[in-house]
Amino acid sequence: QIQLVQSGAEVKKPGASVKVSCKTSGYSFVTYDTSWVRQAPGQGPEWLGWINANNGNTRYAQRFQGRLTLTADTSTTTTFMELRGLTSDDTSIYYCARLGPFYGMDAWGQGTTVIVSS
Amino acid sequence: QSALTQPRSVSGSLGQSVTIACSGATMSVGGYNYVSWYQQYPGEAPKLLIYDVTKRPSGVPDRFSGSKSGNTASLAISGLQHDDEADYYCSSYAGKSWVFGGGTKVTVL
Repeated sequence: QIQLVQSGAEVKKPGASVKVSCKTSGYSFVTYDTSWVRQAPGQGPEWLGWINANNGNTRYAQRFQGRLTLTADTSTTTTFMELRGLTSDDTSIYYCARLGPFYGMDAWGQGTTVIVSS
Repeated sequence: QSALTQPRSVSGSLGQSVTIACSGATMSVGGYNYVSWYQQYPGEAPKLLIYDVTKRPSGVPDRFSGSKSGNTASLAISGLQHDDEADYYCSSYAGKSWVFGGGTKVTVL
């Protein structure tokens, strides 16, 4: 079955970087784009960006341009989300999600909690 | 502040129907037929309920239906059941990006 399994929770100091992994299985990794979404406590989701694992093309939400990098490793069918220059506002649960053969996210990772605190 | 606007909460009695509205802009909801809806229980990841405004993924009951008029999309839940009590989020493609709503908590009375 389709699975997206993310790395564990992180606690970071302000100004640091975090890198979260998303290991996929059960489908053709290079056929589907992967989106990254975050959700702060009590808030709606916020789209961060997407990556096409086949060609490495990426698209980032404007507000994260310059401090967000998405990468993909086809040998391990894993995508990575790196966010730099962390502030307390980046404290959220970060999700990876498969973009289906339509304009929706049809499979999600379990989420990775990132806490930014001094 | 989310890009799409939803009511914070709606409630309905067991067996009745509720509708959740999702208001956007011509650059998102109004400009594309790519609205999706997600259901989320506390502590869990969102689950896709509706995509492309009206379509249901395999396994989603037909009690859930989507529609759109202009810049506003809607999710209707008929025959409310206890396990429909959850948070619901709308999302729309917005031209190489996606936007989400702030979420609606559905309470089953």
